[in-house]
Amino acid sequence: GQQLNQSPQSMFIQEGEDVSMNCTSSSIFNTWLWYKQDPGEGPVLLIALYKAGELTSNGRLTAQFGITRKDSFLNISASIPSDVGIYFCAGQFGEKLTFGTGTRLTIIP
Amino acid sequence: DGGITQSPKYLFRKEGQNVTLSCEQNLNHDAMYWYRQDPGQGLRLIYYSQIVNDFQKGDIAEGYSVSREKKESFPLTVTSAQKNPTAFYLCATDAGTGGSKQYFGPGTRLTVT
Repeated sequence: GQQLNQSPQSMFIQEGEDVSMNCTSSSIFNTWLWYKQDPGEGPVLLIALYKAGELTSNGRLTAQFGITRKDSFLNISASIPSDVGIYFCAGQFGEKLTFGTGTRLTIIP
Repeated sequence: DGGITQSPKYLFRKEGQNVTLSCEQNLNHDAMYWYRQDPGQGLRLIYYSQIVNDFQKGDIAEGYSVSREKKESFPLTVTSAQKNPTAFYLCATDAGTGGSKQYFGPGTRLTVT
């Protein structure tokens, strides 16, 4: 099955910095979702995007649905320690989601 | 308390044994999904069900089986035919209307030795 290209694979940042990550695909999607996963837990939905060009915020998180419908990005502003984890994008066309390979975010003290 | 429950959190089995993982939801969602996650990787779809008494294979269905006899329940059996069964298994649900948000359970970590 297809997987999305998600980058970067990992990020090491200091508390307070802004973070940006993105997903690209060779296929178009009707919906983009962004999830965060803590170790040993299930992913938690952060933001859902339904329309090309859509820009949606959830607190310090902002995500955009690319105009071509083949990409999406997630920004986190002013990172805090609880932002640590793995972030996954997922694209939906039809019944199934296709997941990215994840971006692992680490905050350096 | 609403949501998706998976039990147990940790499961240990000997090679050659079948094992069934539980997934229950009280969200009244039509669609349910099973994913497998290996260390450092994304989620891969095993099976999914859009409606009771119907289910479809995902990308890596070999060595797995499911049933959907009730809307609330979608158990996954990992059979002895699955060559590398040790993994983190995640159940998810959505309203099944297309473009719906998918929500995940807490996961079951299966270790087969």
